[in-house]
Amino acid sequence: AQSVSQHNHHVILSEAASLELGCNYSYGGTVNLFWYVQYPGQHLQLLLKYFSGDPLVKGIKGFEAEFIKSKFSFNLRKPSVQWSDTAEYFCAVNGGYNFNKFYFGSGTKLNVKP
Amino acid sequence: DAGVTQSPTHLIKTRGQQVTLRCSPKSGHDTVSWYQQALGQGPQFIFQYYEEEERQRGNFPDRFSGHQFPNYSSELNVNALLLGDSALYLCASSPLMRDTEAFFGQGTRLTVV
Repeated sequence: AQSVSQHNHHVILSEAASLELGCNYSYGGTVNLFWYVQYPGQHLQLLLKYFSGDPLVKGIKGFEAEFIKSKFSFNLRKPSVQWSDTAEYFCAVNGGYNFNKFYFGSGTKLNVKP
Repeated sequence: DAGVTQSPTHLIKTRGQQVTLRCSPKSGHDTVSWYQQALGQGPQFIFQYYEEEERQRGNFPDRFSGHQFPNYSSELNVNALLLGDSALYLCASSPLMRDTEAFFGQGTRLTVV
C-alpha cells in the first residue's frame, strides 16, 4: 500500500521568508505526485503535480516542487512567502492499478505572519 | 463551468442515525470518489464510483455505502452513526484515466452527537 509522510505539522514564517515543506512517500512503482492547498473555508485546490519528465515542477502562485526518486521525496518550495499563503498544505500520491485513488499526508499548517 | 458541488455543507446527527451526503461532479467527469477528513488529518479514501458501480474501496466498514446515478452524481450513506464518524466528507471527481488530478468539493461537515 502507498503512504505519505509530511514531517512538518505546523510551520510559522514571516513574510518574505523562504518555505520548504517535506513530503516522503512509500511505493515501489511509478507514481504521480501532487501538492494540494486548503485555504481557510475553501476547498482543496491543486498547487502542482508531477506525472513524468522534468523532476522540477512549477505550480501556481510561485510554488515549485522537486521529485527526487532515490529519496522518495517531493518537497514543496517557495522562495518568498506572503501572508496570503497561510493555509494547510497536503502532499498526495497515486499510482499503479489504483491510479485514481489518492493517498494524502496528514498536512502541514502554514502560518505566515505579516 | 461549475466545479464539484456538495450538499449539505453542515449536518448534525445523533448516534445511531443514518445520513446521506450528495455530490455533483465537475462537468465532463465520470468518476466520483469520497474521502473522510478527520480533524488534524489528511483525507482518507472511502470508495470510488464509476459507471454506477463501486470500483475501489478503502478501509471503511460496510456502514459506509454509496451510489452513483446515470448523470454521474453520487451519494454517500452512513448507517448507525458513531461519534467517530464526525469529520469533513469530501467528494472528488475526475475522468477515469491515468495522469490526471482530482477536483474537490468544499465538503460536508458532519457532526455526530
